[in-house]
Amino acid sequence: GESVGLHLPTLSVQEGDNSIINCAYSNSASDYFIWYKQESGKGPQFIIDIRSNMDKRQGQRVTVLLNKTVKHLSLQIAATQPGDSAVYFCAESPGGGTSYGKLTFGQGTILTVHP
Amino acid sequence: DTAVSQTPKYLVTQMGNDKSIKCEQNLGHDTMYWYKQDSKKFLKIMFSYNNKELIINETVPNRFSPKSPDKAHLNLHINSLELGDSAVYFCASSQDRGLREAFFGQGTRLTVV
Repeated sequence: GESVGLHLPTLSVQEGDNSIINCAYSNSASDYFIWYKQESGKGPQFIIDIRSNMDKRQGQRVTVLLNKTVKHLSLQIAATQPGDSAVYFCAESPGGGTSYGKLTFGQGTILTVHP
Repeated sequence: DTAVSQTPKYLVTQMGNDKSIKCEQNLGHDTMYWYKQDSKKFLKIMFSYNNKELIINETVPNRFSPKSPDKAHLNLHINSLELGDSAVYFCASSQDRGLREAFFGQGTRLTVV
């Protein structure tokens, strides 16, 4: 079936570096994508989202890039801080139909930031 | 004033038992969800309710039965628990069906022994 996956299950960076977390998706009908952050013992927390009519969206210290041609999504975190250490999930959703509202999550990438 | 609260946070029970997990959101959202996260951190949607109406029902054993008494509550009842049901269960809510900026609860770690 359709799925969303991540290239790198773990990523270790030094504090202050920029981090890039990648995600590949296979459902060409997906038109909405979200990144979530999950800290240990907590539920996922919304970071940023992007619709398929956009290539890039920026938030505070985070940027999401979408390449529909190769079905690739990335999350860039600028000046990574120890508090950014968490598991990061990408998720995708189709635009409508019976699957509207259904998010398919990727595998997750563990980001570790060293002081 | 937790936005999405689940109880209990931990639940240890024997195989064959019936258990419930409760979820409440005070955000005024219309849509609520149950997700299951396995030991490999994989998150998968189980159910979605919009204004008390079931709108998403994934391939989940019918031992799992969600109940929404009102749009602020979505409880999950599980009958005849099995070892494979051990996981972390997350409740979430969002303003609309698109899960945009969904708020997740802290999770309920269910362990079946």
